[in-house]
Amino acid sequence: AQRVTQPEKLLSVFKGAPVELKCNYSYSGSPELFWYVQYSRQRLQLLLRHISRESIKGFTADLNKGETSFHLKKPFAQEEDSAMYYCALSGQGAQKLVFGQGTRLTINP
Amino acid sequence: DTGVSQDPRHKITKRGQNVTFRCDPISEHNRLYWYRQTLGQGPEFLTYFQNEAQLEKSRLLSDRFSAERPKGSFSTLEIQRTEQGDSAMYLCASSRLGRTDTQYFGPGTRLTVL
Repeated sequence: AQRVTQPEKLLSVFKGAPVELKCNYSYSGSPELFWYVQYSRQRLQLLLRHISRESIKGFTADLNKGETSFHLKKPFAQEEDSAMYYCALSGQGAQKLVFGQGTRLTINP
Repeated sequence: DTGVSQDPRHKITKRGQNVTFRCDPISEHNRLYWYRQTLGQGPEFLTYFQNEAQLEKSRLLSDRFSAERPKGSFSTLEIQRTEQGDSAMYLCASSRLGRTDTQYFGPGTRLTVL
C-alpha cells in the first residue's frame, strides 16, 4: 500500500534557525516524491520534487530509500516560510498523488 | 490568469440535495484530477482523466459521485443525495502528459452540507 506519514502536525521555529520537516513513505517500488506548500489564502503549489534535485527558496530534500524518507530542510528559516507543507508520492506509472496529512510550519520573529 | 479555475468557490447545501462543481484546467493540459480534502488531512485522490477518458477512480468515489470530462477540456464533479460526510474542500488539478507532469492545483470548492 502507498502511504505518506508526516509525524509533526505543527512545527514552530525561530527566524534564522534550521528547519526540518519530516516525511516517511511506504511504497513497494520506486516512487517519485514531492513537497507541496500552501501559503495562507493561496492554492497548493509544488515546492520541489526529488528527481529535479533543485533547491527552491532555500529548501532541499533528499530521498533516502534505505530509511524511506524524504525530509525537507532549510538551514535558515525566514518568516515567509510560514505555511502548510505536504509531502506526497506518486508511484511508477501511476498518476495520482498520495499526500501526507501535512505539517503547519510557523516561523517566529 | 491562466491557472486552474474552479467554480463555485463555496457551496452550502442541505442534506439530500445534488451539487455539481466545475473545473477548468490549464489550457492544453490533457490530464485532470479531482481530490478531496477534509479538515486536518492532506488531499485524497478521487479520480483522474486523460483527455476525455476517466482512467482511475478511487474507492472513495461512491456511487453518489460522478465525474465527467466530455470534450477533454473542463470537468464536472457531481454529488447526488449529499450527506454531511461529504463536507470537504474539493480540489482540481491538471497536468500535461510528459516527463515532468507537474500537477497544478485550483483554489478548490468548499462544500458544506447542512
